[in-house]
Amino acid sequence: DAGVIQSPRHEVTEMGQEVTLRCKPISGHNSLFWYRQTMMRGLELLIYFNNNVPIDDSGMPEDRFSAKMPNASFSTLKIQPSEPRDSAVYFCASSLKGVGYTEAFFGQGTRLTVV
Amino acid sequence: SQQGEEDPQALSIQEGENATMNCSYKTSINNLQWYRQNSGRGLVHLILIRSNEREKHSGRLRVTLDTSKKSSSLLITASRAADTASYFCATGGLASGTYKYIFGTGTRLKVLA
Repeated sequence: DAGVIQSPRHEVTEMGQEVTLRCKPISGHNSLFWYRQTMMRGLELLIYFNNNVPIDDSGMPEDRFSAKMPNASFSTLKIQPSEPRDSAVYFCASSLKGVGYTEAFFGQGTRLTVV
Repeated sequence: SQQGEEDPQALSIQEGENATMNCSYKTSINNLQWYRQNSGRGLVHLILIRSNEREKHSGRLRVTLDTSKKSSSLLITASRAADTASYFCATGGLASGTYKYIFGTGTRLKVLA
């Protein structure tokens, strides 16, 4: 298996533009997580899906952020409109049985820079 | 809020020495996991220890868990320059009331050749 695949690896955009980050989890995994990592705030969980259903989105910072999982093999995280403070590395992770039972597998991340 | 808190925040040692990192958490857990993150990369799972286990080994890694103190430690023996990375503990599971992986703030380890 190729692991969790994220795209793009790097994204530079202007403030106010829409940004869409993509994630392909490992086949057969039923849990998917989006994290954001910055120097100031560390690794923050944004949203968690189980069987394609959003279970907990309490970490989504604002209404500008939205996430979808239309099927078991694809998820998107969208920021509209983007702001400079959204600059961070965004990670997608998936796991087989859900947290607390197995490990999470992380993608390589998308480094987002909003100028 | 952070579930796991690692200490020290940063650690610098000579190659060949042992490195010990600690993690404290707040709620009951099903298991505790340790991850490594190399600069600019995603996190990689190292080891999982269940709440009914007290110690676990994997190669040069040794993890202990003390549920009464809500703490865990990660020991890397005979460290190598390639061990330079950030190390995170993660907790979660039904016992903690959440199905989310909650990561600590991490320990930045630097191994000097």
